[in-house]
Amino acid sequence: QKEVEQDPGPLSVPEGAIVSLNCTYSNSAFQYFMWYRQYSRKGPELLMYTYSSGNKEDGRFTAQVDKSSKYISLFIRDSQPSDSATYLCAIQPPFSSASKIIFGSGTRLSIRP
Amino acid sequence: DAGVIQSPRHEVTEMGQEVTLRCKPISGHNSLFWYRQTMMRGLELLIYFNNNVPIDDSGMPEDRFSAKMPNASFSTLKIQPSEPRDSAVYFCASRSQGYGTEAFFGQGTRLTVV
Repeated sequence: QKEVEQDPGPLSVPEGAIVSLNCTYSNSAFQYFMWYRQYSRKGPELLMYTYSSGNKEDGRFTAQVDKSSKYISLFIRDSQPSDSATYLCAIQPPFSSASKIIFGSGTRLSIRP
Repeated sequence: DAGVIQSPRHEVTEMGQEVTLRCKPISGHNSLFWYRQTMMRGLELLIYFNNNVPIDDSGMPEDRFSAKMPNASFSTLKIQPSEPRDSAVYFCASRSQGYGTEAFFGQGTRLTVV
């Protein structure tokens, strides 16, 4: 079983829609969860970072962690064409502060004007 | 800081040739990662270094792949001999040690093996 799994999409929604992107992870010890955004022909960039359970909001973006079901989500409100990108969830194992970052396969999102 | 710098940006080579990808991490970052991205497999971690020491190379697909980090400001990923299935975008990333610290990615090297 992969340590983090993500539906690759692609996902296409109209402008203004609410977008929900999701990942599952395998190890209940994981506590550090991240979402990266990757535009075409660019490297991924950190979008949001959460620790443990709960929600974190940043403008139109909300990251949510449900540790009981080992499920992480990213919600985008009032989606814009500029949000069209690949979104990758990521986890950092807690075993060492120098540990690796493991990425999901990414979900390709397209916002239609 | 100019960010993580990778070279070359694009590489086209013939099967069987040696390929060397280069990376200059952000100054002061002590972790460096090499990832490979394809449509089929997504972003895969190949190897990572802490303080120039390889920590985990379990993602390196075969003995044809090798990586070095001779100093804190330079790393290479070498493929010898290259095969068409190695065609992918290879990313280098660096970060400071710590929980939840951001990994900064380079622009990637798009490798095509024909």
